[in-house]
Amino acid sequence: GAVVSQHPSRVICKSGTSVKIECRSLDFQATTMFWYRQFPKQSLMLMATSNEGSKATYEQGVEKDKFLINHASLTLSTLTVASAHPEDSSFYICSARVVQEGNTDTQYFGPGTRLTVL
Amino acid sequence: LAKTTQPISMDSYEGQEVNITCSHNNIATNDYITWYQQFPSQGPRFIIQGYKTKVTNEVASLFIPADRKSSTLSLPRVSLSDTAVYYCLVVRSNDYKLSFGAGTTVTVRA
Repeated sequence: GAVVSQHPSRVICKSGTSVKIECRSLDFQATTMFWYRQFPKQSLMLMATSNEGSKATYEQGVEKDKFLINHASLTLSTLTVASAHPEDSSFYICSARVVQEGNTDTQYFGPGTRLTVL
Repeated sequence: LAKTTQPISMDSYEGQEVNITCSHNNIATNDYITWYQQFPSQGPRFIIQGYKTKVTNEVASLFIPADRKSSTLSLPRVSLSDTAVYYCLVVRSNDYKLSFGAGTTVTVRA
């Protein structure tokens, strides 16, 4: 259980293109999903918290007009990188929060999406 | 947010037990500890989590002393495929955000 998928797994685009990445919880409903970015040889960095039916909450320094997040259903959150540039090239990973007893919820991660902007 | 400190790297051999200790001195009362494993170009994989004492599942054990200022992940009888980065994180139960540190790179040799 608790499987999270991402699509596409890899995308290469030209500078100025907008790219949409989908994150789906396959066997559970997730009211909260998170988006992370990971540069080579670095750790994951939280970009934003995506809540179903409401606006995403962005971490400090993350441009909300650049990284558009939509969480329209309990199983799908999307991240759109608007007008991507080479510096946006990175590994984007989503996670979905599984609600558990005793306030010890667990985040399950997707496989990641490798974005390369030429 | 409770900061964690863990070794940058550890080397081991196949069949050995690997113990990774993580410090989290300013963990709050309602926070809990979670561990993830990450292979290159993959998303992190959940290993185990706990609040106190000992938790065991089919892949690992987590030991948390009474003061909860540290925790130890124990991987029994590692194999080459356990070579990965292991992250220790403290989760705040008010927002469940995860703040990833550098993690511990575990290298298992034959």
